[in-house]
Amino acid sequence: EAGVTQFPSHSVIEKGQTVTLRCDPISGHDNLYWYRRVMGKEIKFLLHFVKESKQDESGMPNNRFLAERTGGTYSTLKVQPAELEDSGVYFCASSPNRDEKTNEQFFGPGTRLTVL
Amino acid sequence: DQQVKQNSPSLSVQEGRISILNCDYTNSMFDYFLWYKKYPAEGPTFLISISSIKDKNEDGRFTVFLNKSAKHLSLHIVPSQPGDSAVYFCAASDWLDTGNQFYFGTGTSLTVIP
Repeated sequence: EAGVTQFPSHSVIEKGQTVTLRCDPISGHDNLYWYRRVMGKEIKFLLHFVKESKQDESGMPNNRFLAERTGGTYSTLKVQPAELEDSGVYFCASSPNRDEKTNEQFFGPGTRLTVL
Repeated sequence: DQQVKQNSPSLSVQEGRISILNCDYTNSMFDYFLWYKKYPAEGPTFLISISSIKDKNEDGRFTVFLNKSAKHLSLHIVPSQPGDSAVYFCAASDWLDTGNQFYFGTGTSLTVIP
């Protein structure tokens, strides 16, 4: 079974540019999460999709961040315009339907974003 | 405001000895706790978890202890092996919360010396 995949693995952009990150969750997982880790800090929650609906977006830093999950499959996270403080590693995670007896989230390898 | 804290950024242990990684949390609503392990350039991978109805969960060389009154959990690895060298993240969630977001600590970098 394929795990969570993310694209690109890394991205270097200039301040003011736009970047779009993509996450493909494990097939059949209803729940999709975005997290971010800034250097040396904790992995911080950004938002949570259940299928195509945003369940919780309380962690989104500001309106420069836009996440979508059209059709309830893959998700994109767009940063526009990017600022220096947006640099970090963006992780995507997925988990099955909550009726299943697991609370584990499966993480992708992350996208390392550097804003210059 | 960080709800999960790992106060030791790094830990070095000799191969064969016990590694003890600690984690503290502040939110009494947390009822499910996990440890994730992360190698460089990879995403975190699930290691072991514990529900708040238990105080200990064991899986091979890994044991997690939960002290609810102290809001503290620890991960014991025994015996430690060089392949255990990685960053370990403690995470907590409120399972009854429909959002089920994980709250992570800042991680502890474990080095097992051969």
